[in-house]
Amino acid sequence: QQQVKQSPQSLIVQKGGISIINCAYENTAFDYFPWYQQFPGKGPALLIAIRPDVSEKKEGRFTISFNKSAKQFSLHIMDSQPGDSATYFCAATPSGSARQLTFGSGTQLTVLP
Amino acid sequence: DTAVSQTPKYLVTQMGNDKSIKCEQNLGHDTMYWYKQDSKKFLKIMFSYNNKELIINETVPNRFSPKSPDKAHLNLHINSLELGDSAVYFCASSQDASSGNEQFFGPGTRLTVL
Repeated sequence: QQQVKQSPQSLIVQKGGISIINCAYENTAFDYFPWYQQFPGKGPALLIAIRPDVSEKKEGRFTISFNKSAKQFSLHIMDSQPGDSATYFCAATPSGSARQLTFGSGTQLTVLP
Repeated sequence: DTAVSQTPKYLVTQMGNDKSIKCEQNLGHDTMYWYKQDSKKFLKIMFSYNNKELIINETVPNRFSPKSPDKAHLNLHINSLELGDSAVYFCASSQDASSGNEQFFGPGTRLTVL
């Protein structure tokens, strides 16, 4: 059972445009929601993360919007650049003693020059 | 000065063989992980160790056995390799097992079973 559902699977955006990736979760015990960025041939790297006590977090061109009642969160990339082309994973982890990350299925983002 | 390193980067082997992947982190972290990324890029945790103690063991065939000689190392040994084991395996580490701690991933080991 996939606990974190991510869409779209792939996304093509023009340079300067806004990229939006959505995730939905089922487990109400999740209390930490990071986004990871993965370039080809590399391991994932933390991009930005949010906790459910805030509805939005912004770091530079990257913003997470969080809707606790709908159990949804999304990543917005403003002014998308070709260098942003990568695979993006949302993830979630529950409170508890062994807080493992559950990843979404990933979104392949291509930003056209 | 690589934070999380894995060896080898590529591993090509025949079905039925036994192989190991090594992982080392120099971040002073207490918790280490093994993830499997399949051909569709889906990432799934396999194991997690905290201070050399196993804390997460997902539904993984017992042909996979992690070993943590010290908290800076977490190796993965795979017995009787099968075609379905072909994937990219990532090692990661975090300061501890608490929620909210960034996980630092290694560069991955691409395993191909022929």
